[in-house]
Amino acid sequence: DGGITQSPKYLFRKEGQNVTLSCEQNLNHDAMYWYRQDPGQGLRLIYYSQIVNDFQKGDIAEGYSVSREKKESFPLTVTSAQKNPTAFYLCASSIEGSTDTQYFGPGTRLTVL
Amino acid sequence: GQQVMQIPQYQHVQEGEDFTTYCNSSTTLSNIQWYKQRPGGHPVFLIQLVKSGEVKKQKRLTFQFGEAKKNSSLHITATQTTDVGTYFCAGLLSYNTDKLIFGTGTRLQVFP
Repeated sequence: DGGITQSPKYLFRKEGQNVTLSCEQNLNHDAMYWYRQDPGQGLRLIYYSQIVNDFQKGDIAEGYSVSREKKESFPLTVTSAQKNPTAFYLCASSIEGSTDTQYFGPGTRLTVL
Repeated sequence: GQQVMQIPQYQHVQEGEDFTTYCNSSTTLSNIQWYKQRPGGHPVFLIQLVKSGEVKKQKRLTFQFGEAKKNSSLHITATQTTDVGTYFCAGLLSYNTDKLIFGTGTRLQVFP
């Protein structure tokens, strides 16, 4: 699976709670990405980071936050401001940027009750 | 915003039949990548096309990039049950190469 781990695989939270999804890679990749996948839809970019201590908003960043304090780690926090947080969340990394192959983690399925 | 559309959304075929999915962008793409996601799994990279009119083959899979670099296709010859999954194209916009734009995906079901 390309050396990217996401935990947990399944996550349940009550409405109004913040939750942080983990993403770790040991591929020495500079770039990391978070996507959201809803049933029957493609992947939508939430945030991406091309180097440590720097990140940019994707197409649907509202209600989410990220940090990139280490090259290996890119955690995603789903805040209570996200109106429809229930989804499948995928983390990916690439050597340098989007022109390179993206390697995906196994994903975290978040359900907000 | 910018969208990359794929058709069809779903395709059911009998094992041994051919399958094609088409990817269309309203904007010129710098390159296009194809990914496969098995049911319950995560996307896995298949191939990248960069040149206008480029054609690449991987065994029974044939990938094409249009002359105008706005469309692409994936053709599978003689499908097998192992081909089941959702196929996504992902394009890199020529004017913004920071992020891939994923297509809506085509879900393939193969009946034995």
